[in-house]
Amino acid sequence: SAVISQKPSRDICQRGTSLTIQCQVDSQVTMMFWYRQQPGQSLTLIATANQGSEATYESGFVIDKFPISRPNLTFSTLTVSNMSPEDSSIYLCSVELLGAVGELFFGEGSRLTVL
Amino acid sequence: AQSVSQHNHHVILSEAASLELGCNYSYGGTVNLFWYVQYPGQHLQLLLKYFSGDPLVKGIKGFEAEFIKSKFSFNLRKPSVQWSDTAEYFCAVYTGGFKTIFGAGTRLFVKA
Repeated sequence: SAVISQKPSRDICQRGTSLTIQCQVDSQVTMMFWYRQQPGQSLTLIATANQGSEATYESGFVIDKFPISRPNLTFSTLTVSNMSPEDSSIYLCSVELLGAVGELFFGEGSRLTVL
Repeated sequence: AQSVSQHNHHVILSEAASLELGCNYSYGGTVNLFWYVQYPGQHLQLLLKYFSGDPLVKGIKGFEAEFIKSKFSFNLRKPSVQWSDTAEYFCAVYTGGFKTIFGAGTRLFVKA
């Protein structure tokens, strides 16, 4: 298994500002992902964080809005840029371990409220 | 498009009642199937998984799920629920290429 630490756990932000969420994993993982869980909805994959290269974004998500870094195997950041109230959501870091294809471990999430 | 449907958004049961949560997916290829659970105030965690073999899989806390390929279903069951099973349950399908699709979730409330 893996222990995933996310910071901040929650924040209240003003419209037009940006917030960076950090994700640290206690073990080496093969894949790291960022999900969004909007109120009353399911998890939606934002992007796959690739070590040392640009993240792979899903349809509807762009790098200018959600820049992602992954400088090493166990750490990643997601920035939510130029926030609007529609960005209010829970953002989840998720990882896949070697040999456990498709099985995901999640952080506790970062609950973001944009005023 | 690939999708995962969970039939019930909210379920309320009394303790000792039996539980079945429906999950259907639309994808014609090989899949790995999962149920995740999120207890109040906790992070999402794996409840059980199906990769291959026996289509009836058992997970933690007495949960089980049955994969019926012909019906594209992976329903979650528990013979007798407890108050501590109150949580949100997500069905998920891994279709390969590092893509996991989640259902909308089912909120289960068990009355003591």
